[in-house]
Amino acid sequence: AQRVTQPEKLLSVFKGAPVELKCNYSYSGSPELFWYVQYSRQRLQLLLRHISRESIKGFTADLNKGETSFHLKKPFAQEEDSAMYYCALYSNYQLIWGAGTKLIIKP
Amino acid sequence: DAGVTQSPTHLIKTRGQHVTLRCSPISGHKSVSWYQQVLGQGPQFIFQYYEKEERGRGNFPDRFSARQFPNYSSELNVNALLLGDSALYLCASSLGQWNTEAFFGQGTRLTVV
Repeated sequence: AQRVTQPEKLLSVFKGAPVELKCNYSYSGSPELFWYVQYSRQRLQLLLRHISRESIKGFTADLNKGETSFHLKKPFAQEEDSAMYYCALYSNYQLIWGAGTKLIIKP
Repeated sequence: DAGVTQSPTHLIKTRGQHVTLRCSPISGHKSVSWYQQVLGQGPQFIFQYYEKEERGRGNFPDRFSARQFPNYSSELNVNALLLGDSALYLCASSLGQWNTEAFFGQGTRLTVV
């Protein structure tokens, strides 16, 4: 079955420290993966997608097919990165979502 | 452009009633998808509509239905409401059927009592 797992409900790091938000997926075929972010009192918005291979707001994510992972990373966390982060997989007209990780950046 | 707009923003209904939620996509977007998000979970796919036809359906009972209008706006209808239908309902629009960059509305918070 197609599934997205985000093992951490909450991640708290200090400002300036590296951040890694974990995402694992289960999918047969070539996956199309996304990271969405939801800042406080704002709507869900696309952060990045693996096919674009961009760095957005200092975040990057690399698809590792061997480990079926798509972890989100940032070398130096900033306070404005505090938000809810969702990993999602596109399959058959729909996005399949992980449960999300709440990232808190401590000053 | 106002982005994806949903109405109402909040709604309280009684068990057994029905509800209609509305969504206006971004201008030029022809695809609308609906998701249900229960507290503490990621969104769950309900429907996708493209060019006024249902293109995908998630694992929801027949009490859930939707439609898309000629102007690409959409309605989600839920009949015989249950307490478990209480959730945030999200609408997302995208440019085409296969274009997977989805733009989300603020959602409608439905509470069933």
